Amino acid sequence: EVQLVESGGGLVQPGGSLRLSCAASGFPFSEHYMDWVRQAPGKGLEWVGRTRNKATSYTTEYAASVRGRFTISRDDSKNSLYLLMNSLKIEDTAVYYCARAGSSGWSLDYWGQGTLVTVSS
Amino acid sequence: QSVLTQPASVSGSPGQSITISCTGTSSDVGGYKYVSWYQQNPGKAPKLMIYDVSNRPSGVSNRFSGSKSGNTASLTISGLQAEDEADYYCSSYTSSSTWVFGGGTKLTVL
Repeated sequence: EVQLVESGGGLVQPGGSLRLSCAASGFPFSEHYMDWVRQAPGKGLEWVGRTRNKATSYTTEYAASVRGRFTISRDDSKNSLYLLMNSLKIEDTAVYYCARAGSSGWSLDYWGQGTLVTVSS
Repeated sequence: QSVLTQPASVSGSPGQSITISCTGTSSDVGGYKYVSWYQQNPGKAPKLMIYDVSNRPSGVSNRFSGSKSGNTASLTISGLQAEDEADYYCSSYTSSSTWVFGGGTKLTVL
């Protein structure tokens, strides 16, 4: 069974940093691209970014709203995905989901339950 | 970051069919066959319902179908059931090598 479990959320002050983790199991993690998607309270989904796999040199893509502040990484030996968030803004407050890209890479076929990040003073 | 345009809400009675539209541009929906649809129930993670415009993942009811014409993609749910009540989001790959979601549509089953 595919499982994605996020952790690391919490309360952080504006300008601060936070690192989220996503533990994956039940599938060959190293073969899949992995994404982060967020959802502000009461709002819609917003794509955050993607890390590709070793075969594609672990290249990354980011939404314009987080580019330069957020960094996605992965450790295939630990079946884990990470999101390092720096220079956090109040508008970064959201539930952050990790999601697995399907075999074709063009959709997200499994999602974690999310972890809440609150940016507030 | 552009947001694909979806109606804020749609409704239908059990047994009816409804269609949710998702309008983008030639740089996203119109330019690629990589449109997906997700269902989200309150407090839950999204669930993939349609990928690559019109394909259903294993386990998704064949009452759900997808299509695309020009810059607009559509999700149709036939034989509406109470359990279909949820929020639905479209998503598309873009010419910037990123992904964009629609604003979401709340489906109410009357």
